[in-house]
Amino acid sequence: EAGVAQSPRYKIIEKRQSVAFWCNPISGHATLYWYQQILGQGPKLLIQFQNNGVVDDSQLPKDRFSAERLKGVDSTLKIQPAKLEDSAVYLCASSLDRDRGNIQYFGAGTRLSVL
Amino acid sequence: GNSVTQMEGPVTLSEEAFLTINCTYTATGYPSLFWYVQYPGEGLQLLLKATKADDKGSNKGFEATYRKETTSFHLEKGSVQVSDSAVYFCASNNAGNMLTFGGGTRLMVKP
Repeated sequence: EAGVAQSPRYKIIEKRQSVAFWCNPISGHATLYWYQQILGQGPKLLIQFQNNGVVDDSQLPKDRFSAERLKGVDSTLKIQPAKLEDSAVYLCASSLDRDRGNIQYFGAGTRLSVL
Repeated sequence: GNSVTQMEGPVTLSEEAFLTINCTYTATGYPSLFWYVQYPGEGLQLLLKATKADDKGSNKGFEATYRKETTSFHLEKGSVQVSDSAVYFCASNNAGNMLTFGGGTRLMVKP
């Protein structure tokens, strides 16, 4: 079974530029999550989708971050404009559904460096 | 909301030593508890989980017991190997299955 795919693996941009990350979840998984992991810290949830709808985006800095999952499968996370403090690894995860017992499977992440 | 606190690292052990990584949580309701592991250059992998009080999760020689009375989920292994060197994250979820992670504990095992 294929895992969660993310691209690119690495991205280096200058502050005020824009960047986009892509995620393809495990086939059949209805729930998709984006996490931000700053170096030396645990991942922090940014947004949760159920199919193509947003369930929770309370931790997403909406003035610069946006995310979509238009067809309920792939998802894109965008930052515009980027700030230095956005340097982090962006992790995508998916689970079969939102029930508490469902395991989240993580992709390898995209490491973003903002200079 | 939920919060998770785990011991800071790094934890440095010799091969075959006993490992304990402490984890405590605060939560409303009855969360499930998890340990995830992150090997160098790789994504997070689920190591073990427990879904209710007194449950014991186990995998690859690692164990953790869900203790509601002490709100803890400490990770243990009787004999660590060099290949166990990684960062370990304790996490809890809420009713919507959103995970809250601790800060991570780096384990280094020396031969």
